[in-house]
Amino acid sequence: NAGVTQTPKFRVLKTGQSMTLLCAQDMNHEYMYWYRQDPGMGLRLIHYSVGEGTTAKGEVPDGYNVSRLKKQNFLLGLESAAPSQTSVYFCASSYSSGNQPQHFGDGTRLSIL
Amino acid sequence: SQKIEQNSEALNIQEGKTATLTCNYTNYSPAYLQWYRQDPGRGPVFLLLIRENEKEKRKERLKVTFDTTLKQSLFHITASQPADSATYLCALDGDYKLSFGAGTTVTVRA
Repeated sequence: NAGVTQTPKFRVLKTGQSMTLLCAQDMNHEYMYWYRQDPGMGLRLIHYSVGEGTTAKGEVPDGYNVSRLKKQNFLLGLESAAPSQTSVYFCASSYSSGNQPQHFGDGTRLSIL
Repeated sequence: SQKIEQNSEALNIQEGKTATLTCNYTNYSPAYLQWYRQDPGRGPVFLLLIRENEKEKRKERLKVTFDTTLKQSLFHITASQPADSATYLCALDGDYKLSFGAGTTVTVRA
């Protein structure tokens, strides 16, 4: 039982490059989330999805796009990476909303030079 | 604006003592409040959930209180152990998502 798996674990990009972060969950959860975590700022929600084929903006969506084509996968894209997007990115999933715990992956550490 | 504030200072305590962490919030009306533990280099792990109509919740050596009048939750680790050293995050529910505090780092000395 893998839970939430994020790939890659580490990546270094140059400014202007694009990339996609992959999140996969095997718990049949409806809800999935992408966060970024920066020192002293805690987890900030980028985008989330309440079901297959749906996405919604979170607190800090600019510069990111997402897709949820399959229930078990949630992709986060950076179209043109900027140094301000250097961060640790976490994916999470849950059965439903606030009355259920979120299950997190171990993060992707992304550096943009 | 909405704000979630946790102890800004790291907490250093002696093994066996009780650690008490604070989570204060403004401009939220959460029906639920959750606490997570995060170890270095890992994702957060869920610990406890407390509902707005519950005053207190316990799980083993952990105790959480939730005061909607004070807009505050307290998180207690009793009989602390070095293995309890981690960062602890509180999170409030709202509109299909959680909002997280920045966390409090706890170090338990043997």
